[in-house]
Amino acid sequence: GENVEQHPSTLSVQEGDSAVIKCTYSDSASNYFPWYKQELGKRPQLIIDIRSNVGEKKDQRIAVTLNKTAKHFSLHITETQPEDSAVYFCAARGSARQLTFGSGTQLTVLP
Amino acid sequence: GAVVSQHPSWVICKSGTSVKIECRSLDFQATTMFWYRQFPKQSLMLMATSNEGSKATYEQGVEKDKFLINHASLTLSTLTVTSAHPEDSSFYICSASKIRDRVSNQPQHFGDGTRLSIL
Repeated sequence: GENVEQHPSTLSVQEGDSAVIKCTYSDSASNYFPWYKQELGKRPQLIIDIRSNVGEKKDQRIAVTLNKTAKHFSLHITETQPEDSAVYFCAARGSARQLTFGSGTQLTVLP
Repeated sequence: GAVVSQHPSWVICKSGTSVKIECRSLDFQATTMFWYRQFPKQSLMLMATSNEGSKATYEQGVEKDKFLINHASLTLSTLTVTSAHPEDSSFYICSASKIRDRVSNQPQHFGDGTRLSIL
């Protein structure tokens, strides 16, 4: 089945700096890669997603890149703000039709 | 659109009690619903995939008789934790999607989760 690895597990950045979280996946048939933000005790919220026919997607301060050949995708957050502090999960949907999640990254934006 | 409602949000009960959790898609028909369990500071672990009108598909290591799933309509799936014990205490989250029989890139929308505490 699909295996998704996510790094780093924790990330601290100064407010205004950029944050990058990286994920790799194993199933070459995977074609959908969402990113979720989860605040403590709350549900995961979809913040951006990318499909396999696209290499990059941007939404204001958030961007995601996908390298299908290398089977890795990354989340980029620019001009970070304290409210960006949360746990971020990457995920991949492969031939099994369900999402497989990465282990999560605790992002802390220091004021 | 694409709102998923999950109820209850918090349950505290005695060991041996059975607990039912409901997951509803409010503004779309969810042919497929997923049930996850999340332990503190860990990732979401898929427990089972629920398809409307058919039996749920359980992930390896998840007991079918312990976690009963019913997906009787296109907008409702329920998870019943039978004879719950303290080790079943966790955060249970459902999600819903329009996927059914083919690989699709439709987003998956999550409910608010249910925090289950077994004393």
